[in-house]
Amino acid sequence: KAGVTQTPRYLIKTRGQQVTLSCSPISGHRSVSWYQQTPGQGLQFLFEYFSETQRNKGNFPGRFSGRQFSNSRSEMNVSTLELGDSALYLCASSLGPGGRGEQFFGPGTRLTVL
Amino acid sequence: GQQLNQSPQSMFIQEGEDVSMNCTSSSIFNTWLWYKQDPGEGPVLLIALYKAGELTSNGRLTAQFGITRKDSFLNISASIPSDVGIYFCAGRSNFGNEKLTFGTGTRLTIIP
Repeated sequence: KAGVTQTPRYLIKTRGQQVTLSCSPISGHRSVSWYQQTPGQGLQFLFEYFSETQRNKGNFPGRFSGRQFSNSRSEMNVSTLELGDSALYLCASSLGPGGRGEQFFGPGTRLTVL
Repeated sequence: GQQLNQSPQSMFIQEGEDVSMNCTSSSIFNTWLWYKQDPGEGPVLLIALYKAGELTSNGRLTAQFGITRKDSFLNISASIPSDVGIYFCAGRSNFGNEKLTFGTGTRLTIIP
């Protein structure tokens, strides 16, 4: 079974631009969670989607948004990029409610904001 | 909100030594997960725990779900060079919003 895939793996943007990251979950998984990882803050939860609906949201500004499609693929968008948005963005998939809570991570997208 | 304290923050050991790390929570969890992350990659799930007192092994790794449900432990026996990386604990409660909360990580370095 293929794992979680994320595209692109690396991205360089400048301040003020916007970016869209993509995540394809493991086949059969319907829940997708997004995390931001930085050396200083560790793994910070952004949001979780299940059946195209946002179930949970972390403490991030409205510039961070996401969505999920009917095939469970998910995208996250960051608008008006700031230098502090430079981070590794990780996507994790799980079966969803009723599952045992195990999340499986993709390799991440490394975003650098100049 | 829920907080996870993971310790130690870093460890420097020699190959062949055993390693212990732990996580404590301010609230009760129903699931504990342990992950390992290599540089530039996403975390990989090592062990999952679902019951207080549960002891589960995965090769040289052994993890335990504390009986108070507020802590978990990971042990690595006879460490080898490929054990180098950052280890994260994560806990999940079935109450409230059910999201995973992650520890701050333990960075393991093996001294030649």
